[in-house]
Amino acid sequence: QKEVEQNSGPLSVPEGAIASLNCTYSDRVSQSFFWYRQYSGKSPELIMSIYSNGDKEDGRFTAQLNKASQYVSLLIRDSQPSDSATYLCAVNALSGGGADGLTFGKGTHLIIQP
Amino acid sequence: DAGVTQSPTHLIKTRGQHVTLRCSPISGHKSVSWYQQVLGQGPQFIFQYYEKEERGRGNFPDRFSARQFPNYSSELNVNALLLGDSALYLCASSLSAGPGGNQPQHFGDGTRLSIL
Repeated sequence: QKEVEQNSGPLSVPEGAIASLNCTYSDRVSQSFFWYRQYSGKSPELIMSIYSNGDKEDGRFTAQLNKASQYVSLLIRDSQPSDSATYLCAVNALSGGGADGLTFGKGTHLIIQP
Repeated sequence: DAGVTQSPTHLIKTRGQHVTLRCSPISGHKSVSWYQQVLGQGPQFIFQYYEKEERGRGNFPDRFSARQFPNYSSELNVNALLLGDSALYLCASSLSAGPGGNQPQHFGDGTRLSIL
């Protein structure tokens, strides 16, 4: 049973600070890792993908992956009130005859305080 | 370019009825996946289709079925609806669907299904 764990929060961060979101996964053969942002009542929006160990930066967002520790994180620099949303961590494993879809965590509710 | 489009946006059904949800992928994307999201949870994988063939299936009962058409659009069918089927149904498309699923999936706005 593949599992993806996230702290549900809420995580409250002052405007302008760095928000740090964490995710752990259970399936060691996981290959692809994604962060989605979901505003209340809306669908998930892809913000980052990462496939190899280390950091990947895109604007104010940095994804970090450590496969040995089965850990992936998302840093949001210079947090803005518009970043307030639920952040979903998603993992995809090698197809081994089973489901080839994404396994999502429950999401972390992030609140940026003005 | 248009994103993933889903129809209808909202639907109300009663227990025991049947429902068909529709999805058109991003132009050029050949893979479509379906997810169910209940309030407070992350999306749960239902099906993935690529080139009109089922490539993956999640832990959902046989009441759930899907298919993909030659133009890569897709339908999700649910029979004998239960109250627990009330959820947001999301369709996602990606360029391809190979081992490891490296291609990012992009979601449509979803269909909100309510069962009375």
